Amino acid sequence: EVQLVESGGGLVQPGGSLRLSCAASGFSLSDHYMDWVRQAPGKGLEWVGRMRNKANSYTTEYAASVKGRFTISSDDSKNSLYLQMNSLKTEDTAVYYCARGQEALGPANFYGMDVWGQGTTVTVSS
Amino acid sequence: DIQMTQSPSSLSASVGDRVTITCRASQGISTWLAWYQQKPGKAPKSLIYSASILKSGVPSRFSGSGSGTDFTLTISSLQPEDFATYYCQHYIDYPLIFGGGTKVEFK
Repeated sequence: EVQLVESGGGLVQPGGSLRLSCAASGFSLSDHYMDWVRQAPGKGLEWVGRMRNKANSYTTEYAASVKGRFTISSDDSKNSLYLQMNSLKTEDTAVYYCARGQEALGPANFYGMDVWGQGTTVTVSS
Repeated sequence: DIQMTQSPSSLSASVGDRVTITCRASQGISTWLAWYQQKPGKAPKSLIYSASILKSGVPSRFSGSGSGTDFTLTISSLQPEDFATYYCQHYIDYPLIFGGGTKVEFK
């Protein structure tokens, strides 16, 4: 079964750090672009960032709101994706989802974020 | 950045109604648009990509149309399981942006 499972959420003070994990099963992460998307309480979806696949050198893109503070990485041996979050702010409080994207470069190869994890909750508060 | 504006932000409808949700991009995005459905407490589900192509397993009562800046998601005959929030998302460039969402509620 194709599945994504996030973990690592929790309560952290402003200015603190947290690392989220996203474990994939049923497919190889290295074949796909992978996205992080978050949802603040009662709000809509916000794209956080993307890691392209191995064929595209695992390059990354970030939303302006997290650029320089968040870093996406992966570990092929564990078939897992990570989101390292530093200098956390109260406005980073959200449910964080990882989602599977395309397998090749360009929008013509994007078929929607077709597999999502269940989400992990991050609360930034003093 | 390209902004995505959905309307309405919410609507009330009955089972069997035809429902139309609009998504407008701040600049042309060709047909690089996806639609998602999200139910409370659940992860989003992919419905449509390339503005009009249904994902496998999505009921045919869902349809998408549009190109350039104006797009629509239509549910031809609303079913009880369709009460949810719907989001559009462009993917022509970075940052990827979602619309603000349209909540479809029971009348």
